[in-house]
This record gives sequence, C-alpha cells and structure tokens, in this order.
Amino acid sequence: DGGITQSPKYLFRKEGQNVTLSCEQNLNHDAMYWYRQDPGQGLRLIYYSQIVNDFQKGDIAEGYSVSREKKESFPLTVTSAQKNPTAFYLCASSKEVKRGYTFGSGTRLTVV
Amino acid sequence: QQQVKQSPQSLIVQKGGISIINCAYENTAFDYFPWYQQFPGKGPALLIAIRPDVSEKKEGRFTISFNKSAKQFSLHIMDSQPGDSATYFCAAGRGSTLGRLYFGRGTQLTVWP
Repeated sequence: DGGITQSPKYLFRKEGQNVTLSCEQNLNHDAMYWYRQDPGQGLRLIYYSQIVNDFQKGDIAEGYSVSREKKESFPLTVTSAQKNPTAFYLCASSKEVKRGYTFGSGTRLTVV
Repeated sequence: QQQVKQSPQSLIVQKGGISIINCAYENTAFDYFPWYQQFPGKGPALLIAIRPDVSEKKEGRFTISFNKSAKQFSLHIMDSQPGDSATYFCAAGRGSTLGRLYFGRGTQLTVWP
C-alpha cells in the first residue's frame, strides 16, 4: 500500500543540537510539505517542494532547512537557530492541490 | 494576514446533535475547499472537499455548505457521535496547482455520549 512515512515518532534532543526529521512517500506525488502544529495555532507551513531540487519557504521557515534530492524524500532539519523547536511536525504530499494532501503520522520533537 | 479564519476554536455537542464549524477565506482565486479530521497523535486525514461551482456537498453525515459571495464555507456533522470527537481543519487553495493549502486554526470537537 502507498503511503507517507515519518520517522521517528518521538524525538528528544538537547538544546543547541541540530536534528533531522525523515519523510518518505511512495505515492509518486510531486509536491511535499512540512507543517508544524502547536496547540491553538493550527497547521503552519514551514517549507514545501513542488519538484526535485527545488523548494520554497513557507510562513515560518526561519531556523529550519530542507532538501529534495529524490522525489520520494523530503527531510527537515531543525537547526539550533530555531528558538522554540518543541512541537508536532507533520509531513504531507500531494499529486496536485485539488486531490488533497496525504499526511504522515507526525514526529513529536521535544528539545530539553 | 490569515488567509482562512475558522470558528469556533472548540465545540461541545451532545450525541445525536448537529455540529457546525465555520470558515471564511480572503483570496477569491481559491477554488478548492477541503476539510480535514485529526485524531490525537495522528496526522490529519481528508474528510470532504468542495469546489465553488456547487453550494453544498454531502457525504454520509458530513455536509459542506459553500457561500461564494460571502467567501464562507461550513462543515455540518449530523447525528454527531462520540467517535466524531477530533480536531477539524478547514483549508483553501487553488486546486489546479502544485501549490499550497492555507489552513484554519482548527476546531476541537467533543461529542458527549
């Protein structure tokens, strides 16, 4: 079955360390997205990519970086520059917007 | 500027009642309006979506009503059940692109048995 996989489900890091969250899809979707979810804030877009080797900043890109070297993969790095990184991170993919997004099950990052 | 505004933030409904969540959007270029349902610890899942050429779409107990002139759309959940307790997000975007959706801030629905 096709789907989108995020790993790990839970991640703990010390303050000041960079951490990379994995997102892989086998749906043959062209577009991939990273969202951050905080209570009461909804889903805020960090970065998105419409094609391999290209990506665009979303609404809260500061302190994050991404790469899109393969169609199937869109890893997100949370850098030490991100002031408040503890959150639930969601990856999504889409063939085109009108077909909707498929979301992964998320990674909960806790920085201590 | 928030592209999609959603209300209420939380909603408590008795089993069997009707749950209503409202959204308003800014950009008249938007032509795709989905609703997502999210259970705790999971990713959101597409529930139902509508295009602006129709005023209503129904799937089972879930109905989207769309008012193009007012730039508003709403989700109605008929005969609400405890299993419907979840967070609901509305969204809007341009459907014919590989671009992005703009999400509302979500509504936490609790259905009491």
